[in-house]
Amino acid sequence: SQELEQSPQSLIVQEGKNLTINCTSSKTLYGLYWYKQKYGEGLIFLMMLQKGGEEKSHEKITAKLDEKKQQSSLHITASQPSHAGIYLCGAASANAGGTSYGKLTFGQGTILTVHP
Amino acid sequence: KAGVTQTPRYLIKTRGQQVTLSCSPISGHRSVSWYQQTPGQGLQFLFEYFSETQRNKGNFPGRFSGRQFSNSRSEMNVSTLELGDSALYLCASSSRGVSYEQYFGPGTRLTVT
Repeated sequence: SQELEQSPQSLIVQEGKNLTINCTSSKTLYGLYWYKQKYGEGLIFLMMLQKGGEEKSHEKITAKLDEKKQQSSLHITASQPSHAGIYLCGAASANAGGTSYGKLTFGQGTILTVHP
Repeated sequence: KAGVTQTPRYLIKTRGQQVTLSCSPISGHRSVSWYQQTPGQGLQFLFEYFSETQRNKGNFPGRFSGRQFSNSRSEMNVSTLELGDSALYLCASSSRGVSYEQYFGPGTRLTVT
């Protein structure tokens, strides 16, 4: 089965600093999602990457999927307290039938704290 | 468009009871997936429904079941509740599956006492 490893597990930064969160897969990724979660709440969709080498940006957040499609990174520029939360990567992988349909496997999450 | 809605938001049940959770997907979305989130195990996939058919199932006991209606609304049922079933239950909807953007609801917090 596919496993996702996120690093670091937690991150504390000063407001205004840049930061990067990594997500590494044990298998080829067929789709990689990034979500943000406030404790005890639902997941907020950030970005979805499907093609090797793909890069997407939204406001101050940029996500990349490497060429071999086994690693993704999430970069936040000039962090703000509003960026604080838990960041989760989720991956789709092909099952024996050739598709994972609606199933995502998630990493353990990265807890981000931003100090004003 | 309205987002994914889940009801109820909070629930307290006693061991041995059963519970039904509801999820209404984004209008036009036909795929609904369910996940369980706990501090120890993280986010784990339960099952996915598309056009009223279960397409994929995670490694959970048969006490966990679900269904989807013709309007794409989905319910999940947990019978004979155990203390370990206490968790945040999240549903996600997409138009067709993980090749498309998948959006999550706010979750139902289930506490089993």
